[in-house]
Amino acid sequence: AIWMTQSPSLLSASTGDRVTISCRMSQGISSYLAWYQQKPGKAPELLIYAASTLQSGVPSRFSGSGSGTDFTLTISCLQSEDFATYYCQQYYSFPLTFGQGTKVEIK
Amino acid sequence: EVQLVESGGGLVQPGGSLRLSCAASGFTFSSYWMHWVRQAPGKGLVWVSRINSDGSSTSYADSVKGRFTISRDNAKNTLYLQMNSLRAEDTAVYYCATILTGFLWYFDLWGRGTLVTVSS
Repeated sequence: AIWMTQSPSLLSASTGDRVTISCRMSQGISSYLAWYQQKPGKAPELLIYAASTLQSGVPSRFSGSGSGTDFTLTISCLQSEDFATYYCQQYYSFPLTFGQGTKVEIK
Repeated sequence: EVQLVESGGGLVQPGGSLRLSCAASGFTFSSYWMHWVRQAPGKGLVWVSRINSDGSSTSYADSVKGRFTISRDNAKNTLYLQMNSLRAEDTAVYYCATILTGFLWYFDLWGRGTLVTVSS
């Protein structure tokens, strides 16, 4: 299985901040990486796929980068609705695996 | 409306069984691979199982292999997860999920989830 290390696990930030979340793979996965946002009591929502392609309807303040083993999700100007938990997911091979999650909380 | 609706969750004793269902609507269910993903309370997402579009191929996470069985009824637009020999560590919200906009294994459509609690 491909293991993922997502960091940080908790991120305290203020509205308007630029935040970055990292996801590192145990082996190369090309660009087969997705990012999700999850709010309490809700199902995850797809933000980015193919490491850097924005899902339709997702605000442009979200961006993704990376390939191989190191990936980053960036929120350029944090909005109130962005306080949530974020997960990366590799879809290079089965079993599909997710990062441990990053909770973005209000500072 | 395009949606997935899970049902069948509940409280079950260790060693017991439960069958989850996921009803699909608003899209051609029989054309898409389907997956189950679970999330233990306060924990992260874990992929559980997948089935191809006609039900002829399946795969499972090691943690559920031999205990869980994924299946589908394309005539009823419904996905299933038969869970046997349940353990406390199977306690989680179970989501069904798929991708409608490609043939890869990330998820652009999720259900709302159904909670399974394994406890005596």
